[in-house]
Amino acid sequence: EAQVTQNPRYLITVTGKKLTVTCSQNMNHEYMSWYRQDPGLGLRQIYYSMNVEVTDKGDVPEGYKVSRKEKRNFPLILESPSPNQTSLYFCASSRIPVGTGGYNSPLHFGNGTRLTVT
Amino acid sequence: QKEVEQNSGPLSVPEGAIASLNCTYSDRGSQSFFWYRQYSGKSPELIMSIYSNGDKEDGRFTAQLNKASQYVSLLIRDSQPSDSATYLCAVTSTNAGKSTFGDGTTLTVKP
Repeated sequence: EAQVTQNPRYLITVTGKKLTVTCSQNMNHEYMSWYRQDPGLGLRQIYYSMNVEVTDKGDVPEGYKVSRKEKRNFPLILESPSPNQTSLYFCASSRIPVGTGGYNSPLHFGNGTRLTVT
Repeated sequence: QKEVEQNSGPLSVPEGAIASLNCTYSDRGSQSFFWYRQYSGKSPELIMSIYSNGDKEDGRFTAQLNKASQYVSLLIRDSQPSDSATYLCAVTSTNAGKSTFGDGTTLTVKP
C-alpha cells in the first residue's frame, strides 16, 4: 500500500530534550515536506526537500532541522524543543514536476504526530 | 495580506444543497492548485487538483480556476453529511517546493 508513515503518533516531552520525528514514504517520491498545523494558523510549511541531500526552508523553519540522506526518509529534528513547538505535525510527499514549468503533483500526507512540549 | 485566503467559516448547508468554497491567492505565478479535505483529527486528503483556467468536474465536486482574478473555488453538489469537514485550499508557487495553505473553511452539512 502506498503510504507516508510518521512516527510517533503522539509525543509528550519536556523543554530542551532533543527529539526526532521520523517520516518514510514508499512511493519513490522525490519531494518531501514537513508542516505544522495550529488552530487559527492553518498548515504552515517548515522545511521541504526536492531530492536527496537537497533541503530548503519553508515559512517557519526556526527551531527545526531536517535531513534527506535517503530518498524515502525525511526526519524532523527538534534539537531543543520549546512549548511554542507544541503542535500537530504532518509529513507529506509527492512527485516533482518534470522539466521547467511543470505542474506539481498532489501531496500525500502521513497520519500526523501530535507533539506536546511542557 | 495572507498568501492564500479562504472564505471565513464555518459554513453550514442543508443536505442536498450546493456548498461553495472560495480561495484567493497573491502569487500571480502560481501554477498548481489543490483542494484537500480534512476530517477532525485526521490528515488532509486530496479532493481536486486544477492547473488550467476553467472548470474541472469529478463526481459531485467541481473546481474552478481563474488565474486573472487569482481565484479558485470548489463547489460540492448534493452535499452529504459525510462532506462535513474542513476544506483546505493549497497553492504551489513559482518555486515548486513551496506549498502554501489557506486556513481552511469548516463545512457542516445538516441532515
